[in-house]
Amino acid sequence: GAVVSQHPSWVICKSGTSVKIECRSLDFQATTMFWYRQFPKQSLMLMATSNEGSKATYEQGVEKDKFLINHASLTLSTLTVTSAHPEDSSFYICSAIRLAGQETQYFGPGTRLLVL
Amino acid sequence: DAKTTQPPSMDCAEGRAANLPCNHSTISGNEYVYWYRQIHSQGPQYIIHGLKNNETNEMASLIITEDRKSSTLILPHATLRDTAVYYCIVRAPRGSSASKIIFGSGTRLSIRP
Repeated sequence: GAVVSQHPSWVICKSGTSVKIECRSLDFQATTMFWYRQFPKQSLMLMATSNEGSKATYEQGVEKDKFLINHASLTLSTLTVTSAHPEDSSFYICSAIRLAGQETQYFGPGTRLLVL
Repeated sequence: DAKTTQPPSMDCAEGRAANLPCNHSTISGNEYVYWYRQIHSQGPQYIIHGLKNNETNEMASLIITEDRKSSTLILPHATLRDTAVYYCIVRAPRGSSASKIIFGSGTRLSIRP
């Protein structure tokens, strides 16, 4: 199946700092990528839809100025958590849909963020 | 909101078939049924999807009822590595605003030795 990677796999940062998470589709081009967040013992929650070359579409309740999304190429989307606070500690997961062919959405391995 | 209903948990003996049910009574004609699973602390893994017909691949089989209001994921010979949370998802084709995947609570499948 298609491969989606994320970097870093885990990160610990101090409160008030910004953290950037990368999501890459390794063997296919993706016009659309998605960002999810998952708290312990909960399901994945969709944060935003990222389209290459255009602004991201955020789900209701997600602060666009806090969670900056950039989709600069067909294989890379980044999520920046600005001025992170302990409540932002979570498991962040991205996914991507192939540009052409099947419409299956493939997920990355996730990035665990811990804000101290 | 998720459009599917799944039992919160199930268990199955190793080597037996695991049958995971899903209700999606409000599914629209152009919406697909997708199954993903999430092993602890990993990203979701695609299993299988279908529209109307039953589907089979190397991982599982998907049985969709004729009225499309429910489906069953079948893992033919469950192993301990199949222990995971299984998500049944209804999703519209790309280009629709409903093409994004919204996760429900899923079914926590435990395989016992």
